[in-house]
Amino acid sequence: DAKTTQPPSMDCAEGRAANLPCNHSTISGNEYVYWYRQIHSQGPQYIIHGLKNNETNEMASLIITEDRKSSTLILPHATLRDTAVYYCIVGSNSGGSNYKLTFGKGTLLTVNP
Amino acid sequence: ETGVTQTPRHLVMGMTNKKSLKCEQHLGHNAMYWYKQSAKKPLELMFVYNFKEQTENNSVPSRFSPECPNSSHLFLHLHTLQPEDSALYLCASSQSTGRWTYEQYFGPGTRLTVT
Repeated sequence: DAKTTQPPSMDCAEGRAANLPCNHSTISGNEYVYWYRQIHSQGPQYIIHGLKNNETNEMASLIITEDRKSSTLILPHATLRDTAVYYCIVGSNSGGSNYKLTFGKGTLLTVNP
Repeated sequence: ETGVTQTPRHLVMGMTNKKSLKCEQHLGHNAMYWYKQSAKKPLELMFVYNFKEQTENNSVPSRFSPECPNSSHLFLHLHTLQPEDSALYLCASSQSTGRWTYEQYFGPGTRLTVT
């Protein structure tokens, strides 16, 4: 069963920020939030992950609420190449376990010219 | 070659054929995965290998047979498949020394059509 809830689709204008929400109200204390995206007919691509602090890398920023029950992935200046399905996934980094990525349906982000 | 490569990229096979999918990773990782993505369905994990040992079989039918001869190579042997097995098959790798990570790197996939 998916541990996250995402809107099925969103639109964004090229050059504007894309803010993708994710609800994970049942997240436990040792679970991280991971974001992946999948451009049509390609393999998924890792974007970013975080535990409780906000994170930023060259691709995106991840904002996690203080209660950790939701997060937002921010693409600061969306381009047409950012059109993809974005997946929000939660999981634990505890040692000794296999790390199974459980993909939901994600959010289809369409960046419009 | 860099990253994760998969061959062939496209495969059409009959239900009585035997074929193999190949995955190779050039990232120095020690964990490798097979996923299946059917049309309009989420990705499904099939198998996990860690240091060449299978650590996960997600109730996959025996007509799919994985093989991991070393940490860089992963195969998926296919025989007597069904049309519903038509899908995109994705390979991924990750680092698992010390602590496992969800940061997995995916190949481009093999688009399989079973006729």
